[in-house]
Formats: sequence, C-alpha cells, structure tokens
Amino acid sequence: ELKVEQNPLFLSMQEGKNYTIYCNYSTTSDRLYWYRQDPGKSLESLFVLLSNGAVKQEGRLMASLDTKARLSTLHITAAVHDLSATYFCAVDYRSGSEKLVFGKGTKLTVNP
Amino acid sequence: DGGITQSPKYLFRKEGQNVTLSCEQNLNHDAMYWYRQDPGQGLRLIYYSQIVNDFQKGDIAEGYSVSREKKESFPLTVTSAQKNPTAFYLCASSRDGTSGRFRADTQYFGPGTRLTVL
Repeated sequence: ELKVEQNPLFLSMQEGKNYTIYCNYSTTSDRLYWYRQDPGKSLESLFVLLSNGAVKQEGRLMASLDTKARLSTLHITAAVHDLSATYFCAVDYRSGSEKLVFGKGTKLTVNP
Repeated sequence: DGGITQSPKYLFRKEGQNVTLSCEQNLNHDAMYWYRQDPGQGLRLIYYSQIVNDFQKGDIAEGYSVSREKKESFPLTVTSAQKNPTAFYLCASSRDGTSGRFRADTQYFGPGTRLTVL
C-alpha cells in the first residue's frame, strides 16, 4: 500500500525567509504532483514531476523529485504573505494509473 | 472557457436520506474522480472512472455510488449507509494529452461541495 508523508504539517514563517516542505512516499512511482489549497477552496495544480531529477519552478516555488530516495521537495524562496495556503503532494499509485494518493498537507502561514 | 463545475456548493442532509452531488466537465476529459476531504486531512479517493460506462472503487467507496452515463458527467450519491458523510467533496478530471492550459495526466479539480448531516 502506497503511503505518502509530508512534513512539516504546519509551518509558520516570516516574510522574506526560505523554507522547504518534504514529501516522502513508500513505493516506487515516477509521477508526483504538488497542489495548493486556499481555505474553503478547491485544489489548484502547481507542478507535475514526471521523472527522476525533475525540477520545476514558478515564481517563489521550486519543486524537485528524487525517485531513488522516494522524496520530493517544495522549496519556498523569500516567502510572501500570498503564499499562505495548504500544500499537498500526491503520488501516482501505479505509474500511469491516474490513481493518486495524497499526503495530509502542509499548512503554511507567512507572517509579515 | 472550459472547466469543472460542481453543485450544489453547500448541501444539508438529514439522517437516512440519500443525496446526489453533481459534477460536470466540458474539457473533453476521459477520466473523472471523486474525493472526500475531512478537516486537516488530505484527499481520499471514493470512486473513479476512466471511460464512459465504467468506474472503479477507490479507497473509501462504502456508502457511496456513482454512474458514468455521459463523458461529461460523473454524479456521486451519498447513501444512508454512509455513517459519517459530513465532509468536503471534490470532483476532478484528467486526460492523456495536453490541451491548451491543461497539462496531460494532471487531475484538475472542481470547486467542491460541502455536505453537512443535520
């Protein structure tokens, strides 16, 4: 059974600081997704990482995937308040199956 | 503009009632999904369908039923057998190939339905 663990689950940081969210998963997969959710809202797709060593960047967010370590990271650079949200990683249950298992999410709060 | 719609936004159910949540997409996506989200939790897969007239159980299908009679529609019924249905329900869809702003193999989510049992 595929398990996906994110840490930390809660993250409070100051504007301008850098931090990394980690996503570990338990079985082989080469497809990983990052989503953002604002309070009371739906999920917004941020990144899809499809191969070992994949790196994607948009604005102050950068995601990477190491399939050998079964680890993805979401790095936040010079955080701003607008980044406050809950971030989920999701892993393809079996590569190409389109059946995703989600982590519990990391609630990020960026303080002025 | 294409997208995924869910209705209603809020739904209240009495004990013993069945209720149906609507999910429609005009993205021409083949695959559709239903997830449940409880407070402070990730999403858990209820049912999914990769093609019309076919669907598969997810991890928590008990007490739920679905149909997929049309490509664009994937309604979810929460039956009275579901003992703890209060949650946020999210529908998603995906396709094999990239089309415009929608990437291949990525699930895109509707706005959700918040179901409360009275």
